[in-house]
Parts: sequence; structure tokens; C-alpha cells
Amino acid sequence: GAVVSQHPSRVICKSGTSVKIECRSLDFQATTMFWYRQFPKQSLMLMATSNEGSKATYEQGVEKDKFLINHASLTLSTLTVTSAHPEDSSFYICSAKGTGGSYNEQFFGPGTRLTVL
Amino acid sequence: AQSVTQLDSQVPVFEEAPVELRCNYSSSVSVYLFWYVQYPNQGLQLLLKYLSGSTLVKGINGFEAEFNKSQTSFHLRKPSVHISDTAEYFCAVSFSGGYNKLIFGAGTRLAVHP
Repeated sequence: GAVVSQHPSRVICKSGTSVKIECRSLDFQATTMFWYRQFPKQSLMLMATSNEGSKATYEQGVEKDKFLINHASLTLSTLTVTSAHPEDSSFYICSAKGTGGSYNEQFFGPGTRLTVL
Repeated sequence: AQSVTQLDSQVPVFEEAPVELRCNYSSSVSVYLFWYVQYPNQGLQLLLKYLSGSTLVKGINGFEAEFNKSQTSFHLRKPSVHISDTAEYFCAVSFSGGYNKLIFGAGTRLAVHP
């Protein structure tokens, strides 16, 4: 089956620093990757959609200058949280969608727990 | 606007009892429907999906769901639950066209007791 990995699985950083999270599709090419944010005991909220080689599309209310997304290849997308603050602490989950067909399932990564002190 | 409603935030049930987790959606266009399970501190695992065809969909771990277009529902069922089914369950909808963006319900916490 299709596997999506995320690195790191857990990160703790100081307020004001930047953190990069990687999302990789290990055994398929992902033309589209999605980034979600999940607060404790809440649902997933889509932050942005990234397509390989083009700029990400951000959902309403998500600061594009704070959450930088790069989809440089068909197997890698990165989310950089710039100048992180405690309110950015959350569980970040990516998903990846393959190519071809009328519909392609999204495969989810295991998530990254970000804690900003 | 499109939306997904999971009617129960928590469902407690005894082991080996049947369970139904409810999901309703709102949309004026065709939809694809999904149920995902999330264990603590993990990502999401697909249980089952409805894209087209038979309205009764069977998934992994003994779960099934039925798409009811007239009631705009996609309820998840299992005839006999196990302790290991304790987890968070999310219903999600993707609307035809576009890039298959998923909209999630708020989630239902299934707690299976011995």
C-alpha cells in the first residue's frame, strides 16, 4: 500500500524559532499534498494544498507567510512554521494524493507533534 | 456551503455489542464519502470509502457503512466491537470536481468497555 512518512514525529522548540516538517510519499508519486492541523480532541482542519512545482493554495484564515509550504518534488513537501509561538503548538498531519484516474485517495502521514515553549 | 456533521462526540459501548456512528453531510453536488480511524498520536487510517455503485460499503476491521442519498447520511456500523476498536473516528467528504479536498466532521470518540 501507499506509505507517507513525516519527519520529525515530535519537535520542541523555543518561541521565535522556525521549524521545518517534511512529508514524503515513499512508494508513489504525489502530485498533490495536503497539510492539516489538529488541536487536541478536535478534528483536522485543512491548512493548505500544495501541487508539485507550483505555489500552495492556502485556506481562508491561514497565514501564508507564517506557514511556508514547498512542494519541490513529486515525493516531498515541506511545511515551515516561521517565528513559532506557543499558539502554533499543534499536531500537524500531511496527506498525499497520487496521479491519474478520476479520483485518487489521500494517504495520510503519521503526524508531527509541535510544541513551542 | 458543504459541511459534515457527526452527531455524537462520544459513544461508549460494551465489548461484543454492535455500534453505529452517525454522519450526515450537506452538499448540492455529488460527493465521495470516507470514514477514517485515528489512534492516539497517530495519523489517519482509511476504514472505507464510497465513490459510486453499491450503497453498502464494507471496509477493514469488520466495519461497514451505508450511503443514503435521500437522507444525506453515511453511518458507520460494526456488529460486534472489540476493545481494540477504541479510537477516534472521522467522517469525511470530498466533493466531485476540483482537487478532491477533504472536509472532516468533528469526530466521534468510540470507547469500548470490557
